[in-house]
Amino acid sequence: DTGVSQDPRHKITKRGQNVTFRCDPISEHNRLYWYRQTLGQGPEFLTYFQNEAQLEKSRLLSDRFSAERPKGSFSTLEIQRTEQGDSAMYLCASSPGTGIDQPQHFGDGTRLSIL
Amino acid sequence: GESVGLHLPTLSVQEGDNSIINCAYSNSASDYFIWYKQESGKGPQFIIDIRSNMDKRQGQRVTVLLNKTVKHLSLQIAATQPGDSAVYFCAEGSRSNSNYQLIWGAGTKLIIKP
Repeated sequence: DTGVSQDPRHKITKRGQNVTFRCDPISEHNRLYWYRQTLGQGPEFLTYFQNEAQLEKSRLLSDRFSAERPKGSFSTLEIQRTEQGDSAMYLCASSPGTGIDQPQHFGDGTRLSIL
Repeated sequence: GESVGLHLPTLSVQEGDNSIINCAYSNSASDYFIWYKQESGKGPQFIIDIRSNMDKRQGQRVTVLLNKTVKHLSLQIAATQPGDSAVYFCAEGSRSNSNYQLIWGAGTKLIIKP
């Protein structure tokens, strides 16, 4: 049973650099979510996809952030011109079906550290 | 209590005892509730969920209770084991909310005493 996979697990980069994270959801899950989590807090919603369509973006997602899910399978989250405040855990989750009452299943995240 | 920054509410329980983790939710329109467990360095792991047309649901060693009158949710863990040590999050959602977002609580850290 393959769960949600995220790559890389850790990323250390200098301020101002661009970074890209990848998420592979559970096979056949239509919905894919990106969250950001800082220490001691619950996940904060960033954006979600229904198949390849990006249907919602949080106000947290500035124009430096972009997410894609080109074929409705894996997704990428890119952060351009990284800032210190971008340091966080970036979590990806997927769920089947179209209703909210379908549990989201999470990957183990990518921890981003900005030097 | 409410978490502020790094200071998560903490519950310490003796190994073998039952644990009860509480959560107050905010939106009267919420009709779906879910509990997650998060271990250090890992993503949240689904434990159990409940819809608003129920007031109790049981899983393996876990029970979720929903009191819509006072907007309160609890997670009961029977015979707590060392592997239950983690941060536990509740989240709420509404099927009438077209963006399907979950609203997450602040988290409770469960510590198991040997």
